[in-house]
Amino acid sequence: GQQVMQIPQYQHVQEGEDFTTYCNSSTTLSNIQWYKQRPGGHPVFLIQLVKSGEVKKQKRLTFQFGEAKKNSSLHITATQTTDVGTYFCAGRKTTSGTYKYIFGTGTRLKVLA
Amino acid sequence: DVKVTQSSRYLVKRTGEKVFLECVQDMDHENMFWYRQDPGLGLRLIYFSYDVKMKEKGDIPEGYSVSREKKERFSLILESASTNQTSMYLCASSSNRGLVEAFFGQGTRLTVV
Repeated sequence: GQQVMQIPQYQHVQEGEDFTTYCNSSTTLSNIQWYKQRPGGHPVFLIQLVKSGEVKKQKRLTFQFGEAKKNSSLHITATQTTDVGTYFCAGRKTTSGTYKYIFGTGTRLKVLA
Repeated sequence: DVKVTQSSRYLVKRTGEKVFLECVQDMDHENMFWYRQDPGLGLRLIYFSYDVKMKEKGDIPEGYSVSREKKERFSLILESASTNQTSMYLCASSSNRGLVEAFFGQGTRLTVV
């Protein structure tokens, strides 16, 4: 089936350093979503990207969708301890007129104060 | 405020037992999903449903079945629990209209001994 890989699997950074996670799909995605899961919590939606080459920002977070719509990245500038968690990308796939979400393997971020 | 509620936060069952995981959403969403989350593997789709009494297999349906008798409720059934089904199970729901994201329940950590 469709596979979505993320790298790195884990990342430890000092508070204030930047962080980037990359998402790669084996097939072209119609759109991509990003979710954040805090330790002990459940995934929470962050953003959706739809257009080829799209870039969106949310404060210190910058999201990009690749030109070929097969990859995406999330960059966090000047990480804070509140950024700790696992970040997942997810491709939304239409099946029979409805949607399912294919999640990536996730990147776990640890921020050291 | 969307709420997806899973019946149990933690569950311990014996090998061979029949296990029911229940999920209820209060947003009149058409789509509901069951994922399992394992370290390094991300969220893997077990089954999803796009309407009452309708179901579709996800990527890893073996050993599981589902039931959706009412729009708000989606049940995951482990017919005969095995130790390799020890995992975190996450239920999610989404709409076909407007909101694009999946909303998750708090998760059920199932241990099969």
